[in-house]
Amino acid sequence: SYELTQPPSVSVSPGQTARITCSGDALTKQYAYWYQQKPGQAPVVVIYMDTERPSGIPERFSGSSSGTTVTLTISGVQAEDEADYYCHSADSSGTDHVFGTGTKVTVL
Amino acid sequence: EVQLVQSGAEVKKSGESLKISCKSSGYSFTSYWIAWVRQMPGKGLEWMGILHPGDSDIRYSPSFQGQVTISVDESITTAFLQWSSLQASDTARYYCARRSGNSGYHFDYWGQGTLVTVSS
Repeated sequence: SYELTQPPSVSVSPGQTARITCSGDALTKQYAYWYQQKPGQAPVVVIYMDTERPSGIPERFSGSSSGTTVTLTISGVQAEDEADYYCHSADSSGTDHVFGTGTKVTVL
Repeated sequence: EVQLVQSGAEVKKSGESLKISCKSSGYSFTSYWIAWVRQMPGKGLEWMGILHPGDSDIRYSPSFQGQVTISVDESITTAFLQWSSLQASDTARYYCARRSGNSGYHFDYWGQGTLVTVSS
């Protein structure tokens, strides 16, 4: 088992850029995935395989990876982006998973 | 349309047993892994375990091994999560989620969650 560490909170003004980091040794070898969770709702994947965006997810969501850290970037933040965000990774067989500690994004 | 529909909210007492369900539809049930995820009140997501309906291969997070049992009934395309003796600390919302088939290991579809409340 391993850990993924995120900052507890990020605050950003509308129209600005939010960057959420996720750190863990496993990220040098395995992909990261990102989920958005709004209150009372199930999580929704916004980025998979470090940088890929599922259909239906706005282009302002992007992902990047460097060494042991992956980053979710939300460009031109909108009020509707206020939510909790979680990173996620798995081992090479996809049968051992871990979620990051979660980051609350507040739109000022 | 892919759907994972979970059973309804439960209110139980400490020491009681419980089995919650997750019914899948809209895809080949035996071809995708199904995971269970816990979210305690006001807390983050925790991966509990994962199963492959095709061959009943089940893997548990070390944190949940021995605490819960994951099972499946392929005939009704349903996965289950059960407890033999609930504790107040089991109070949480539990999600089932389908693991993506061919583009990484993310969870691409989620159930709506089942809220389990355990009173002492």
